[in-house]
Amino acid sequence: GQNIDQPTEMTATEGAIVQINCTYQTSGFNGLFWYQQHAGEAPTFLSYNVLDGLEEKGRFSSFLSRSKGYSYLLLKELQMKDSASYLCAVMDSNYQLIWGAGTKLIIKP
Amino acid sequence: DGGITQSPKYLFRKEGQNVTLSCEQNLNHDAMYWYRQDPGQGLRLIYYSQIVNDFQKGDIAEGYSVSREKKESFPLTVTSAQKNPTAFYLCASSPGTSGSDEQFFGPGTRLTVL
Repeated sequence: GQNIDQPTEMTATEGAIVQINCTYQTSGFNGLFWYQQHAGEAPTFLSYNVLDGLEEKGRFSSFLSRSKGYSYLLLKELQMKDSASYLCAVMDSNYQLIWGAGTKLIIKP
Repeated sequence: DGGITQSPKYLFRKEGQNVTLSCEQNLNHDAMYWYRQDPGQGLRLIYYSQIVNDFQKGDIAEGYSVSREKKESFPLTVTSAQKNPTAFYLCASSPGTSGSDEQFFGPGTRLTVL
């Protein structure tokens, strides 16, 4: 079967750095997406990785290792508005997105 | 402004009634999707459409129906056959279905069946 694993919840302090991990087992791989979702709202796109390595975009970076079936989202200089759920999704061989359950990130002052 | 709209934001229905959730996009996207989101679970695909007048079942299509008569519109009907319809429903669209095509989401409809 296909599976995406993420921690259920993480807590971090304002101004700090946090790393949210995602491991996956899917039938084929056509890229990995990270989305941010505030409670009760729509997910919004953060990043896309299809090749191994680190993609940096402002305070957010995303890393991919295809051989390990592993990705992480790195958030720097945390702000209170970063409190949200972070969803990892993998596009499989049929170009369908397989979604993880999301990681709820709580930021404390 | 381009985007995806879903209405209504909150919807209450009695058990046994069919209900239709609307989804409209003005992004000129070919592909559209319906997902269901339940607490503690990832998004699950109900139906998707890659082109007008064509759609395919996702992982949990039972008890749901869709139509794609116009490129801009992809309404979802939750029928009385759906055993547990109370959930948060998200509509999304993408330019196409290639690997890098990110999906853009509407604000969602929270359906409660009483």
